[in-house]
Amino acid sequence: GQQVMQIPQYQHVQEGEDFTTYCNSSTTLSNIQWYKQRPGGHPVFLIQLVKSGEVKKQKRLTFQFGEAKKNSSLHITATQTTDVGTYFCAGTNTNAGKSTFGDGTTLTVKP
Amino acid sequence: GAVVSQHPSWVICKSGTSVKIECRSLDFQATTMFWYRQFPKQSLMLMATSNEGSKATYEQGVEKDKFLINHASLTLSTLTVTSAHPEDSSFYICSARELGAISDTQYFGPGTRLTVL
Repeated sequence: GQQVMQIPQYQHVQEGEDFTTYCNSSTTLSNIQWYKQRPGGHPVFLIQLVKSGEVKKQKRLTFQFGEAKKNSSLHITATQTTDVGTYFCAGTNTNAGKSTFGDGTTLTVKP
Repeated sequence: GAVVSQHPSWVICKSGTSVKIECRSLDFQATTMFWYRQFPKQSLMLMATSNEGSKATYEQGVEKDKFLINHASLTLSTLTVTSAHPEDSSFYICSARELGAISDTQYFGPGTRLTVL
């Protein structure tokens, strides 16, 4: 079945440094979503990417969807302590009707 | 908008009892709801996909007789953990996909932490 791999598993950065998490799917995706889960909380939707090669920005966050629609990345510029949490990608194959979540990347930011 | 609630937020029960968890979409109708299980510091494991008015689709390895899912309306799905045992202790999260939405966005409930003694 469809597999979604996410790296790294953990990332520790100094406040102000950049951060990137990568997501790779074993199959071509219809779209990909990114979620953020704060410690003790539940996943919160950040964005959905649909088009091949798509790039979207939300303030300091930049999301990319690969040309082959099999990989994606989330980049945070100049991290802040509020960025702490686990970032999940979820790949969707519309034919399957469900999304497969990556294992998540847990970001810690040292002030 | 797009708020999903879950009840209860936490529950402690004795081994052998059954526990029902409710998932509600508060301000939208959801044709599809998903039930996930999450172990500490791990990803979300999809248990089943629940469609209003039809039987749930369970993922491989998930016992349908143990995890009973009912999606009786466009705003409510329930998960009943039958004859719970300590190994069923976990964080259970539901999500809902909006009726008619083009996007595959899922809106997550706050989760239910189940502890089986």
